[in-house]
Amino acid sequence: NAGVMQNPRHLVRRRGQEARLRCSPMKGHSHVYWYRQLPEEGLKFMVYLQKENIIDESGMPKERFSAEFPKEGPSILRIQQVVRGDSAAYFCASSRGGLGNEAFFGQGTRLTVV
Amino acid sequence: KNEVEQSPQNLTAQEGEFITINCSYSVGISALHWLQQHPGGGIVSLFMLSSGKKKHGRLIATINIQEKHSSLHITASHPRDSAVYICAGHSGGGADGLTFGKGTHLIIQP
Repeated sequence: NAGVMQNPRHLVRRRGQEARLRCSPMKGHSHVYWYRQLPEEGLKFMVYLQKENIIDESGMPKERFSAEFPKEGPSILRIQQVVRGDSAAYFCASSRGGLGNEAFFGQGTRLTVV
Repeated sequence: KNEVEQSPQNLTAQEGEFITINCSYSVGISALHWLQQHPGGGIVSLFMLSSGKKKHGRLIATINIQEKHSSLHITASHPRDSAVYICAGHSGGGADGLTFGKGTHLIIQP
């Protein structure tokens, strides 16, 4: 049973480009969480999704950031018109259920904006 | 002020020492996670606790719900235990995601 798979592991984008980060949850998991770890800072919650639904996006910046978890395929975190401040590690976690269920983390995607 | 506080921030110890990392939280939490982040950046979930104590190999995690406090212990520490240890809880706020402590940087010297 593969763990949570994130790709790419490293992503370099120029300012103004779009970044797409993918997360395939563990088999049987229908809940996905995205977290961001800025350099020298702790992890911060961004968004919580279930299949085809955004449950909580209170941690997402209001502009340029969006997330989806379609019925088929991985969850996608999309950052439009990236800026240098978006450079961070983005982690996804999945769980079988919601609150109170153990979450398993992916290896993360390290986004560098040049 | 962060809702989840960890101590110490940095800890260097000799191989074989007993290690304790503490986590206190200021909000109601129904479940608390201990995570390990390796130098390469990957995150591994060590424990999820809602009460009492759990043990896995040389790792022990305890939680006291009334005191809003949890500890992670490592027995017979080894250099490969060197990592950042992060506690995280489901906070009482609107977010369904985890609220994280800032992590404890642990270095075990041979």
